[in-house]
Amino acid sequence: GIQVEQSPPDLILQEGANSTLRCNFSDSVNNLQWFHQNPWGQLINLFYIPSGTKQNGRLSATTVATERYSLLYISSSQTTDSGVYFCAVGAFSGGSNYKLTFGKGTLLTVNP
Amino acid sequence: DGGITQSPKYLFRKEGQNVTLSCEQNLNHDAMYWYRQDPGQGLRLIYYSQIVNDFQKGDIAEGYSVSREKKESFPLTVTSAQKNPTAFYLCASSIFVASTEAFFGQGTRLTVV
Repeated sequence: GIQVEQSPPDLILQEGANSTLRCNFSDSVNNLQWFHQNPWGQLINLFYIPSGTKQNGRLSATTVATERYSLLYISSSQTTDSGVYFCAVGAFSGGSNYKLTFGKGTLLTVNP
Repeated sequence: DGGITQSPKYLFRKEGQNVTLSCEQNLNHDAMYWYRQDPGQGLRLIYYSQIVNDFQKGDIAEGYSVSREKKESFPLTVTSAQKNPTAFYLCASSIFVASTEAFFGQGTRLTVV
């Protein structure tokens, strides 16, 4: 099946710093999403971005599908940005079997 | 409000008992999914359903069962055959299976005591 690798696994920042999270995937995909998992465990949708670039406030994301990677940029980080960031890719395997496969996440800690 | 509702939020089970986790959505989505998350890990797919009365095994289906009798509902039963059931369980839905955005419920934390 498709492999999803996220880097770095852990990241510690001071408030106000910028960061880039990376997601590499091993095959062509139909779908790519970025999520933020809050301290209560809920997954918050950040971006649905199978290709191209999107921005939402201090966050932006770029997916280069032909090179099989996606980047999530966080600018002027705040303590509330802390948590785990997941990349998930959707692809068919074995004919009609579809899976949304998650990476292991990046644990971001923003210190005041 | 439209969304995905999982219940209960916390669940305790004695070893050897089956337990059913509820997932309901009012988004009119065709596809629904169940994932398991262990501490410090990503999410792993248990089962998914593309349409009513149809479901497919994911990567870790052993010890679990599902049904999809209604479009809105996709309950997950954790059976006594699941060797290590303590985990955080997340349900998701999307308009259809491929090429559409998936949305998640708030999760159920299951503890075996």
